[in-house]
Amino acid sequence: EPEVTQTPSHQVTQMGQEVILHCVPISNHLYFYWYRQILGQKVEFLVSFYNNEISEKSEIFDDQFSVERPDGSNFTLKIRSTKLEDSAMYFCASSEDHGSSYNEQFFGPGTRLTVL
Amino acid sequence: DAKTTQPNSMESNEEEPVHLPCNHSTISGTDYIHWYRQLPSQGPEYVIHGLTSNVNNRMASLAIAEDRKSSTLILHRATLRDAAVYYCILRDPISGNTPLVFGKGTRLSVIA
Repeated sequence: EPEVTQTPSHQVTQMGQEVILHCVPISNHLYFYWYRQILGQKVEFLVSFYNNEISEKSEIFDDQFSVERPDGSNFTLKIRSTKLEDSAMYFCASSEDHGSSYNEQFFGPGTRLTVL
Repeated sequence: DAKTTQPNSMESNEEEPVHLPCNHSTISGTDYIHWYRQLPSQGPEYVIHGLTSNVNNRMASLAIAEDRKSSTLILHRATLRDAAVYYCILRDPISGNTPLVFGKGTRLSVIA
């Protein structure tokens, strides 16, 4: 069964450093998302991406964050200058574009980001 | 998305049915009711969704109240693997690709 993959599974970085989190969405999907979950808290939406541009973003997704689809398969989240509060599990998700009543989102296993 | 209310936690014995409730009294006429779950240390996964009629799939059943102000996710025989946080989410079909808005969900514990 197709699945969303994410690398690395765990990333440790120093405050102020740049990190790039990698995702490979399911191949025929057209919508891509990043969510994050701080330990013990809710899953929060960051950004959605469609047709090579951001379609929606939350207040969390400030100028320190960017997303890119550098080729036909990868979808990346970059944090330019990490802060301690960026420590969280980051989930990538993708969905088809049925144009119908719902589009199930498929989530990856997550990348645990630890900022020291 | 309209708001949903779920109990913080529930407990079930293995191989017994589990009924997970969700209240959504402000649901609009076109909102679909979706359920996702998050197993420990994993990303959320889709469980089931419905509009008005009860729905069944290989994972669970969804019972929707006639007035649509509440719904119940039913796991017919809970297994240890069903221990997870279950999220009830309302989605507007017009914007089918909008982000999911997760609440705190219900943490289901399954006892062997």
